[in-house]
Amino acid sequence: DTAVSQTPKYLVTQMGNDKSIKCEQNLGHDTMYWYKQDSKKFLKIMFSYNNKELIINETVPNRFSPKSPDKAHLNLHINSLELGDSAVYFCASSQSGLAGRRLYNEQFFGPGTRLTVL
Amino acid sequence: AQKITQTQPGMFVQEKEAVTLDCTYDTSDQSYGLFWYKQPSSGEMIFLIYQGSYDEQNATEGRYSLNFQKARKSANLVISASQLGDSAMYFCAMSPLVGNFVFGPGTRLSVLP
Repeated sequence: DTAVSQTPKYLVTQMGNDKSIKCEQNLGHDTMYWYKQDSKKFLKIMFSYNNKELIINETVPNRFSPKSPDKAHLNLHINSLELGDSAVYFCASSQSGLAGRRLYNEQFFGPGTRLTVL
Repeated sequence: AQKITQTQPGMFVQEKEAVTLDCTYDTSDQSYGLFWYKQPSSGEMIFLIYQGSYDEQNATEGRYSLNFQKARKSANLVISASQLGDSAMYFCAMSPLVGNFVFGPGTRLSVLP
């Protein structure tokens, strides 16, 4: 019954490798997000997708690319991993104001993926 | 650009007492949503409470209430009757009408027995 799920929960890899993190939501939401939480707990939005279209793209390196095969999935691909990419990555979803029960709707978060780059 | 400030990096409260976690925000928008999230040591992000900028009454959800002062641009979270399980990071966040959902830096709350 998990609302927002992410795999894997932990990811340890070497510099220069390419990796992916998968995210799925079963809430029927129309918008999904990726966040990066650094070691100081700062949460920064990286991407959001609404109905399979990228609507927010923060100034993240182009080594990061979101891919959404359908409304329920938003995967994160990272190429040429660097030490500074080590962080916890959260996927989230929400219903946009136009379709939700109110104009601003809370985001539901996945459990997070702890990425460690060695 | 929107910005959230949480001036208390860490707070302590005695079990069963009430505690207020501060949040101020900066926006030129007239319409926006304000949220509080809890992140326990296990890492998950848990939604607590919501306040719309046009809501006339302060939001309440069980032991959580939001002290919303629009003119001062503050949205403080009040936790009544603190419990040991309330020990966690608390994040204030804002959703503008258009653009990013913005989080504050968080406040670490420790509840003492």
